[in-house]
Amino acid sequence: GENVEQHPSTLSVQEGDSAVIKCTYSDSASNYFPWYKQELGKRPQLIIDIRSNVGEKKDQRIAVTLNKTAKHFSLHITETQPEDSAVYFCAAIFNTNAGKSTFGDGTTLTVKP
Amino acid sequence: ETGVTQSPTHLIKTRGQQVTLRCSSQSGHNTVSWYQQALGQGPQFIFQYYREEENGRGNFPPRFSGLQFPNYSSELNVNALELDDSALYLCASNPGGRSRDTQYFGPGTRLTVL
Repeated sequence: GENVEQHPSTLSVQEGDSAVIKCTYSDSASNYFPWYKQELGKRPQLIIDIRSNVGEKKDQRIAVTLNKTAKHFSLHITETQPEDSAVYFCAAIFNTNAGKSTFGDGTTLTVKP
Repeated sequence: ETGVTQSPTHLIKTRGQQVTLRCSSQSGHNTVSWYQQALGQGPQFIFQYYREEENGRGNFPPRFSGLQFPNYSSELNVNALELDDSALYLCASNPGGRSRDTQYFGPGTRLTVL
């Protein structure tokens, strides 16, 4: 089955700096890669996703890049703000098995004001 | 905020008991998945239901079972509870169609097994 590794497990940055979180996956058949933000005691919320036919996607301060050959994808947050502090999860899915996501173990991002 | 709801919010059970957790999918979503999220870990896929049929299962024993109803609401049943079953249980629904991969999570049920 699919295996997803996520690094780093914790990340602390100064407000305004950039943050990068990386994930690697094992199953080359995976073709959908969402990122979720989970604040303490709340549900995971989709913040951005990318499909395997695209190398990069951006939404305001958030971007995701995908390298299919190396089987890794990354989340980039620019101009970080204290409200970006949360746990971020990556996931990998083979889309004919929609919903059967394999998640990474999460990155706890702390943005210091 | 999404329209996926779960009940109850919190639940305390003792080892050996049985529990039923409920999920109401967002309107129009015919696929629901259940996940177990242990403290400090990512969600682990339990199973998925599509139009009332189980459509895949993760590495969970048979004492984890589910149902999906005609209105696409869903239940997760866990028999013979063990201490390690203590976790946040999340359901997520998919809209299908071109957005079939996109999952919207409910707020979760926090289960504590004593």
